[in-house]
Amino acid sequence: GENVEQHPSTLSVQEGDSAVIKCTYSDSASNYFPWYKQELGKRPQLIIDIRSNVGEKKDQRIAVTLNKTAKHFSLHITETQPEDSAVYFCAARGGNNRLAFGKGNQVVVIP
Amino acid sequence: NAGVTQTPKFRVLKTGQSMTLLCAQDMNHEYMYWYRQDPGMGLRLIHYSVGEGTTAKGEVPDGYNVSRLKKQNFLLGLESAAPSQTSVYFCASSYYGNSNQPQHFGDGTRLSIL
Repeated sequence: GENVEQHPSTLSVQEGDSAVIKCTYSDSASNYFPWYKQELGKRPQLIIDIRSNVGEKKDQRIAVTLNKTAKHFSLHITETQPEDSAVYFCAARGGNNRLAFGKGNQVVVIP
Repeated sequence: NAGVTQTPKFRVLKTGQSMTLLCAQDMNHEYMYWYRQDPGMGLRLIHYSVGEGTTAKGEVPDGYNVSRLKKQNFLLGLESAAPSQTSVYFCASSYYGNSNQPQHFGDGTRLSIL
């Protein structure tokens, strides 16, 4: 099955700087890549997703890029704000149509 | 439109006890999922369902059973709870399991087994 890895496990950034989280996946048949944000004690919430036929997608301060050849995709957050502090999970839907999640990245935005 | 609702929100059990977690969705989704979330482990799929009356095993199914008697409900059962099942359980649903259908999560059930 699909195996998804996230790097780094913890990321601290100064408010206003950019944050980048990278995920790698193993199944070349994977075709859908969502990113979820989870605040402490709350549910994971979808913030952006990308399909395999698209290389980049942007939504205000958030963007996701996909490199199918290298089998990695990244989340980019620009102009970070304190409310961006959370755990971010990437996921990939493999050939078995099931989502495999990474272990999560703790992002800390320092005011 | 409540989305995905999980009950209960918290529960403490003794080893060997049984219980059922309920997940209900009002979005007419075909697919439903149960995950467990442990520190540093991300979300791991326990069981899932691709439609009413169907269930399938996920990544960590041992010690759990599920049922999907109605399209809107997906039940997760622990027949004989063990301390290793202490976790936060999330239910999710999606229209279908194919490429561009996101999963929507409930608020979670925090379960402690003593």
